[in-house]
Amino acid sequence: KQEVTQIPAALSVPEGENLVLNCSFTDSAIYNLQWFRQDPGKGLTSLLLIQSSQREQTSGRLNASLDKSSGRSTLYIAASQPGDSATYLCAVKYDAGNMLTFGGGTRLMVKP
Amino acid sequence: DAGVIQSPRHEVTEMGQEVTLRCKPISGHDYLFWYRQTMMRGLELLIYFNNNVPIDDSGMPEDRFSAKMPNASFSTLKIQPSEPRDSAVYFCASSSSGRASQKTYEQYFGPGTRLTVT
Repeated sequence: KQEVTQIPAALSVPEGENLVLNCSFTDSAIYNLQWFRQDPGKGLTSLLLIQSSQREQTSGRLNASLDKSSGRSTLYIAASQPGDSATYLCAVKYDAGNMLTFGGGTRLMVKP
Repeated sequence: DAGVIQSPRHEVTEMGQEVTLRCKPISGHDYLFWYRQTMMRGLELLIYFNNNVPIDDSGMPEDRFSAKMPNASFSTLKIQPSEPRDSAVYFCASSSSGRASQKTYEQYFGPGTRLTVT
């Protein structure tokens, strides 16, 4: 069974800290991996997408890495701000099929 | 583009009633997905379409759920009859297969419909 796991489930940090969110997947035959942000009561906003041939993608203060061999991806957030508080979800698209398999998410709280 | 549009944003109905959720994908996208999100089970794929054709409906919980995509710009998810355990947020998403050299299948989500069945 193809599973995606995110640890920790919740994280609280003071403003200004650099932080790393983790995502692991059981099947290395991935097509791409997508990181999303979800604010309470809202939909999902796509942050970064990494193709299986790529090692990392960057957007502003966000950097996502991908290591297929170890089945891991990390989302690095630099100089965290209270506005970064949200739930972050990773989702894997495998080679077979076009659906996404989602992790359970990491709920991030950045305290002022 | 306005993004993926869903309606209604909130729906409260009584058990046994029919519920219809609506979705307009991003123009030009050829894939459309219906998801359900609950605290207990997280995000679950219910069904997805490619070029208006249902491809995988293995996530549809039971026969009470049905989905249609009569054209490239509109899809519905219907629950008949509804039950309290169907209470959840239902998301629609769309993606594009793009050009052969740039296939990303990046998914874009709508704001969701919060369904409450009493």
